[in-house]
Amino acid sequence: DQQVKQNSPSLSVQEGRISILNCDYTNSMFDYFLWYKKYPAEGPTFLISISSIKDKNEDGRFTVFLNKSAKHLSLHIVPSQPGDSAVYFCAASGSVGDSWGKLQFGAGTQVVVTP
Amino acid sequence: SQTIHQWPATLVQPVGSPLSLECTVEGTSNPNLYWYRQAAGRGLQLLFYSVGIGQISSEVPQNLSASRPQDRQFILSSKKLLLSDSGFYLCAWSVLGNSYEQYFGPGTRLTVT
Repeated sequence: DQQVKQNSPSLSVQEGRISILNCDYTNSMFDYFLWYKKYPAEGPTFLISISSIKDKNEDGRFTVFLNKSAKHLSLHIVPSQPGDSAVYFCAASGSVGDSWGKLQFGAGTQVVVTP
Repeated sequence: SQTIHQWPATLVQPVGSPLSLECTVEGTSNPNLYWYRQAAGRGLQLLFYSVGIGQISSEVPQNLSASRPQDRQFILSSKKLLLSDSGFYLCAWSVLGNSYEQYFGPGTRLTVT
């Protein structure tokens, strides 16, 4: 049962424009959310995170928004750059129950930034 | 600074052969350690995690096993590989007590033929 879903397998965006990646989750026990970036043949690298007590976290060009009532989060990249072309994974974890200590990952969204 | 190593980077093995993938972490003590698999076109699936030497939790029933013989060493094994074991295997670590931010190794591409 997929508890973290990224329904867009791919996204193409022009350089300089905004990239918006979406992620939905089903487990209400999740209280921490992360985005990872992955280049081919490499391990994912941590990008940005947000706790459930916040609804927005910003780090440079990257902003993550959390809507707990909708069980939805999104990653905004502004402005998009060619080096942002990668697969982006959404992940979630909880501090209690079965979700404690584990990250549940979405299937990923392939972002391609075109000149 | 902390570093995580995985080897080999790529591996081609016949069905029925054994498997041993190794992961080591440098620059930290008592890390949580994790093994993930990414099958083609899919997300990362947690296979095993460990909070200490000899302490292994398995997430999914499968043909694989894991061991942690030393604090910063994590090994993924199989006695007999199946075709379905093909995939990209990733080792990760996190600070003990904080599993949220995990740091991944470079991965091993395993192809079972």
